[in-house]
Amino acid sequence: GEDVEQSLFLSVREGDSSVINCTYTDSSSTYLYWYKQEPGAGLQLLTYIFSNMDMKQDQRLTVLLNKKDKHLSLRIADTQTGDSAIYFCAESPMNSGYSTLTFGKGTMLLVSP
Amino acid sequence: DTEVTQTPKHLVMGMTNKKSLKCEQHMGHRAMYWYKQKAKKPPELMFVYSYEKLSINESVPSRFSPECPNSSLLNLHLHALQPEDSALYLCASSLDRNTEAFFGQGTRLTVV
Repeated sequence: GEDVEQSLFLSVREGDSSVINCTYTDSSSTYLYWYKQEPGAGLQLLTYIFSNMDMKQDQRLTVLLNKKDKHLSLRIADTQTGDSAIYFCAESPMNSGYSTLTFGKGTMLLVSP
Repeated sequence: DTEVTQTPKHLVMGMTNKKSLKCEQHMGHRAMYWYKQKAKKPPELMFVYSYEKLSINESVPSRFSPECPNSSLLNLHLHALQPEDSALYLCASSLDRNTEAFFGQGTRLTVV
């Protein structure tokens, strides 16, 4: 079955790096995503990685994928107070045929000044 | 433009009311989705439309009725809802199968 696990809470100081971790179980997943959700808002697609890649960097964001351990991480460099939000890891299984996302429970990132 | 627009932003309805949620995208995406998000929970898939046809229904109760009038619009018709249906309803779209999905800001629904 599909299951995505995340740690629930992370607190960092402004300017530090944040690392949010995620594990997934579906080895057929083609895309793995990171979404950001601010209070009362929808989901903002931050970045994604194909399951045949190991790393992807996009400005302050770095995604690392360890396929053997089914472990995904999101590193945010120079974290700002505006980065405070809930971050969802999500997988899209290949066998669904669509972008049907299974989300983790979300990691609340709190950035203090 | 990666915008998915949902209206209304907030909706309060009684259990005997009929209302509709609307979702619109002009990115030429051919797959559209409805998700439901309860407070402090992740979104859960409800329906998938592909090329204006219903492709996936995740065993959603019939009091929720989706409709895709054209490739840019997705509606969710609501009738005889229960208070436990109160949630954030999120619409998403993707270009096609297995491509990244973009979400709207959601409609916050409260059933009284």
